[in-house]
Amino acid sequence: ETGVTQSPTHLIKTRGQQVTLRCSSQSGHNTVSWYQQALGQGPQFIFQYYREEENGRGNFPPRFSGLQFPNYSSELNVNALELDDSALYLCASSLDRGEQYFGPGTRLTVT
Amino acid sequence: EDKVVQSPLSLVVHEGDTVTLNCSYEVTNFRSLLWYKQEKKAPTFLFMLTSSGIEKKSGRLSSILDKKELFSILNITATQTGDSAVYLCVKSTGFQKLVFGTGTRLLVSP
Repeated sequence: ETGVTQSPTHLIKTRGQQVTLRCSSQSGHNTVSWYQQALGQGPQFIFQYYREEENGRGNFPPRFSGLQFPNYSSELNVNALELDDSALYLCASSLDRGEQYFGPGTRLTVT
Repeated sequence: EDKVVQSPLSLVVHEGDTVTLNCSYEVTNFRSLLWYKQEKKAPTFLFMLTSSGIEKKSGRLSSILDKKELFSILNITATQTGDSAVYLCVKSTGFQKLVFGTGTRLLVSP
């Protein structure tokens, strides 16, 4: 059984650029949730995908968008990057919206 | 705004000490209360609490929920340096959205 994996591990972008982060869910899981964790803060819920449909969204602007594929892997896209988007982005997978298992995260730095 | 409040924000103890971490939450859409440990990156699951007054234990860690007073505590006895981490208290809502507290940063010195 493979755990949740994320890529890339680290990423540096400049303001105004666009970024795509990837998450492979744990084997057998059909739900992926994305979180943003700023330095010194707890993770903040961005959105959740369940069976390829968005299933709830936190307080993030529309330039944060996502996708879930038929194999239940997922992407997080952020357009028009701002300095405040610098954070650790965590994805978590679960089965039928149950207990969530976290990936190692992608650290995004926006300069 | 849905909030989970943890205290203290940080804590330094000596090996062998016992610590108690506190968490309070709002009742809106409450489904369960979770505790996670975050050392480097990925939070790792410790406990899920759904019923009041029933203590969950795992080795030196234990946790309990009070749904009347809307709080939970996490206890760690005989602390070790490997317990140094950020401990996150999390409220799970009916939509499986997790609301995280800011965490308690625990440092256990040898």
